[in-house]
This record gives sequence, C-alpha cells and structure tokens, in this order.
Amino acid sequence: DAKTTQPTSMDCAEGRAANLPCNHSTISGNEYVYWYRQIHSQGPQYIIHGLKNNETNEMASLIITEDRKSSTLILPHATLRDTAVYYCIVRPYGQNFVFGPGTRLSVLP
Amino acid sequence: NAGVTQTPKFQVLKTGQSMTLQCAQDMNHEYMSWYRQDPGMGLRLIHYSVGAGITDQGEVPNGYNVSRSTTEDFPLRLLSAAPSQTSVYFCASQGTFSTDTQYFGPGTRLTVL
Repeated sequence: DAKTTQPTSMDCAEGRAANLPCNHSTISGNEYVYWYRQIHSQGPQYIIHGLKNNETNEMASLIITEDRKSSTLILPHATLRDTAVYYCIVRPYGQNFVFGPGTRLSVLP
Repeated sequence: NAGVTQTPKFQVLKTGQSMTLQCAQDMNHEYMSWYRQDPGMGLRLIHYSVGAGITDQGEVPNGYNVSRSTTEDFPLRLLSAAPSQTSVYFCASQGTFSTDTQYFGPGTRLTVL
C-alpha cells in the first residue's frame, strides 16, 4: 500500500486559502487519493477524493500532480470551523482505509 | 436519514467487564467497520464486514468480537475489558467496499478502570 506523508501541523489566517500538502510518492495506478477531516474528536468527515484529475466540490478542491506523487487539498476561504485534523489517504481499489496521524490545521482569527 | 448512529456516547467499565457497543446505519450500506482512536493518534481498524454474515479482522482485532446478522447493525463486543481498551470507538459504513467513501458515526468514548 502507498504511504502518505503530511506535515504535522499548519496555521492559516481566517478568510485565506488553506493549502494542505500530501506526498504519496509510491502511489500506484489503481489507488485513489482521499481526504477526510476530524473536528475535535468527532467522527471523521469525508471531504473529497480523486484518481488523477483535479476535483472540486462545495467543500474543497483537490489538486493531484501529473505524476500523482503528491496532492494538495485547498480550502478556498478558511473559517474558524475548518480547524481540524486533515487526513490524506491513498486507498487501493477494494482495500480498507488506513488513517495516518494527519495534519492539524489551525485557522487563526 | 439518521446516517450512522452509535450508542452509548460514553461508557465506563471496570477491568474484566464485558459490553457491547452498538452501531446502526440506515443507508443500506454493504460495508461497515469499527475503528479505535487513542489520544493523539490516527484511527486503527478493528473489524469490518462487507455484508450480512461476513466479517473479517482489521489491524487490531484482539479482545473484540463482531457479528453482522443484518445489513443495518454491526455491534462490537468487548469480551473482558482491559485498561488498554480505553479509547474512542468509531463505526463507519460505505455503500460498497470497493469504491465508495466512508461515513462515520459520532463515536463512543470508553474508559476502562
């Protein structure tokens, strides 16, 4: 299984874009990139996922590099409620999700 | 839809006691799973089920039993609670095992004294 590397923590000013990086240099062709977040010990919440094309939904955008070895989750206008731990997960088709320690994002007023 | 529900929200046990954590989903999802999360850590998979009557072990199955008699319910049983099982337990479900995303319940906070 591909492993992911994320920074332990990041800060972002309220109203600015939050760009959360994730390295997955050993990703293989059938592995999807998923992003979840966990707000203060609540259950993790799905944000977005993609295979190789960039994706956008009402919550965020996912930018995957052409070689698929890294990706960036973008929260376009971060609010205080976006303070959470963000998990980048590379999941092979038909396999379980494996959660790492994630990135703790603090949105500052 | 209520989504994924878990009961109880909080529980305190004494060492050696047994109990069942309940999980139910009303989305007709095939796949359900149980995770535990220790302080400051990511989630670790305990057991999972790809459909009624089918269960399998995850990363940390010891000390836990599961069964899946219906599509809706996936209870987690602690056979003889130990302090090392103090954790937050999350149940999740997804439509199909292969491609769908997971939806999580609110969690059960368990303390074993």
